[in-house]
Amino acid sequence: DGGITQSPKYLFRKEGQNVTLSCEQNLNHDAMYWYRQDPGQGLRLIYYSQIVNDFQKGDIAEGYSVSREKKESFPLTVTSAQKNPTAFYLCASSRDRADTQYFGPGTRLTVL
Amino acid sequence: SQQGEEDPQALSIQEGENATMNCSYKTSINNLQWYRQNSGRGLVHLILIRSNEREKHSGRLRVTLDTSKKSSSLLITASRAADTASYFCATDRGSTLGRLYFGRGTQLTVWP
Repeated sequence: DGGITQSPKYLFRKEGQNVTLSCEQNLNHDAMYWYRQDPGQGLRLIYYSQIVNDFQKGDIAEGYSVSREKKESFPLTVTSAQKNPTAFYLCASSRDRADTQYFGPGTRLTVL
Repeated sequence: SQQGEEDPQALSIQEGENATMNCSYKTSINNLQWYRQNSGRGLVHLILIRSNEREKHSGRLRVTLDTSKKSSSLLITASRAADTASYFCATDRGSTLGRLYFGRGTQLTVWP
């Protein structure tokens, strides 16, 4: 069964903690993306990667970090430097940078 | 910053009626895509229309693109309660980097 998985579905973070959101795909896609969605808003790009061991900042990268050590995995770390991290986080992948993006089910992060 | 601006922000119709949502954008594009999001879920890709295309169909969906007016419309015919969702348009702003820029979406409610 091919697709994109994100874990966990819900995540709670205390102030000052770093947390890592998982994104895995078995679609053999080269490109992967992380978006943030706030209530009633569209998606904003955090980071994207077009190929293994390479990634670029999106529009709201401050307070976030990523790695792309394997083609199928693109984890996102929300650091304590991100002042307002409570949001819905969506991961996507595409065959290449010009192709349709397919989305995972999302992780809802709440800061306690 | 948001690229697409969907209109209306919210739309409420009865089952069987047609639903029309519009999207305006500000820059040149290579393509425009429409996505659907059920509450609390990931996005589902509906249709991609390229800048040299004027109309595309997929089942009950019809998308038009007018590059001279920098606008697109999504028509859902014979709507069903299951069509209740948020609908987003996304463009690439003419970039070949694979980045997408999303609007804030139209919340469609279809009443049985």
